[in-house]
Amino acid sequence: GIQVEQSPPDLILQEGANSTLRCNFSDSVNNLQWFHQNPWGQLINLFYIPSGTKQNGRLSATTVATERYSLLYISSSQTTDSGVYFCAVERAGANNLFFGTGTRLTVIP
Amino acid sequence: GAVVSQHPSWVICKSGTSVKIECRSLDFQATTMFWYRQFPKQSLMLMATSNEGSKATYEQGVEKDKFLINHASLTLSTLTVTSAHPEDSSFYICSARDRGSGTYEQYFGPGTRLTVT
Repeated sequence: GIQVEQSPPDLILQEGANSTLRCNFSDSVNNLQWFHQNPWGQLINLFYIPSGTKQNGRLSATTVATERYSLLYISSSQTTDSGVYFCAVERAGANNLFFGTGTRLTVIP
Repeated sequence: GAVVSQHPSWVICKSGTSVKIECRSLDFQATTMFWYRQFPKQSLMLMATSNEGSKATYEQGVEKDKFLINHASLTLSTLTVTSAHPEDSSFYICSARDRGSGTYEQYFGPGTRLTVT
């Protein structure tokens, strides 16, 4: 099956700092999504980004499909950004999302 | 838009009993719904994929007789954990794909925390 690796596994930031989370995947994909899982377990859709660049407020994401990686940028981090960030990909023809292992972000005041 | 609900949010049951979890797409029709399981501090693992009116497709290692999935309509899928045991205690999350979106994007429910005593 497809391999999805996220880095770093853990990240501690001071409030206001910027960060970059990375997702590498091993095969061609027709779906790539970034999620934030809050402390209650809810998965919040951040981006649907199988290719290209998108921005939403302090967050932006870039997927370079030909090189099989995606980046999630968080700027001016806030304590409410804490939680686990997952990258999930769907291989062409697979009809299911495969989740990476996640990056646990802690933003301290 | 694209809201998925789950019910119940949490449930505690005794070993040997069965538990049903509902997943609904509230404002769209779902061609396909998915069921995931997540153990503490781990990632989500896909259990099964269901299409409306068809039998579910289960991932390797998931017992289809234990985890019964019914996708009776374009807005409702149910997961029944039969004869639950403590090792079935987990966080169960459903997702759905919007039939009308023209994309592969999935929308996730808030999850159901199951504890089997």
